[in-house]
Amino acid sequence: ETGVTQTPRHLVMGMTNKKSLKCEQHLGHNAMYWYKQSAKKPLELMFVYNFKEQTENNSVPSRFSPECPNSSHLFLHLHTLQPEDSALYLCASSQDPSGLGETQYFGPGTRLLVL
Amino acid sequence: TQLLEQSPQFLSIQEGENLTVYCNSSSVFSSLQWYRQEPGEGPVLLVTVVTGGEVKKLKRLTFQFGDARKDSSLHITAAQPGDTGLYLCAGVMDSNYQLIWGAGTKLIIKP
Repeated sequence: ETGVTQTPRHLVMGMTNKKSLKCEQHLGHNAMYWYKQSAKKPLELMFVYNFKEQTENNSVPSRFSPECPNSSHLFLHLHTLQPEDSALYLCASSQDPSGLGETQYFGPGTRLLVL
Repeated sequence: TQLLEQSPQFLSIQEGENLTVYCNSSSVFSSLQWYRQEPGEGPVLLVTVVTGGEVKKLKRLTFQFGDARKDSSLHITAAQPGDTGLYLCAGVMDSNYQLIWGAGTKLIIKP
């Protein structure tokens, strides 16, 4: 138990569906992250939020839309996804909002399959 | 081309054997982290190395940061089935404080 929870754990969706991934951290951290993990590839950083403000968007397609209503919750809204978006989506948090070098605490991930 | 290359990509050995996995780069890092990710879970931090030449031990795991801070190794002595998982290294760039991830080494320890 890392203090970071993600729901759902598994999701299957069609290319025309709209769904949302949810992440909650119980660690009192100030920074939250979304990563995409594909087999045999490095983790891809998608978005970073510091104190609820988005500070990084690594050229992520607009079909992925993040939302951070407060420093404990992070959402990833999905719409009109492509099969190549199938992957494990990981949420993480860290105490220090100023540096990605801080220890990051990960949730268990959402395994997404796009048909 | 990946900035951080991990090798081997996959390793399957018998319980009790020793092994070493590597994390290599041509870039200099201010620090380097090792994570282990078990099936169905997210990565969990094992150790952070900061100083060139630094060696850290975590029970049967020994982590070393290269003198030039461009590479790192993880050595496991007498591997146990509980060591099974995906081992990821992640380095913090000196120049822009960005965290760079390797693709991982998938390790299976057979009883």
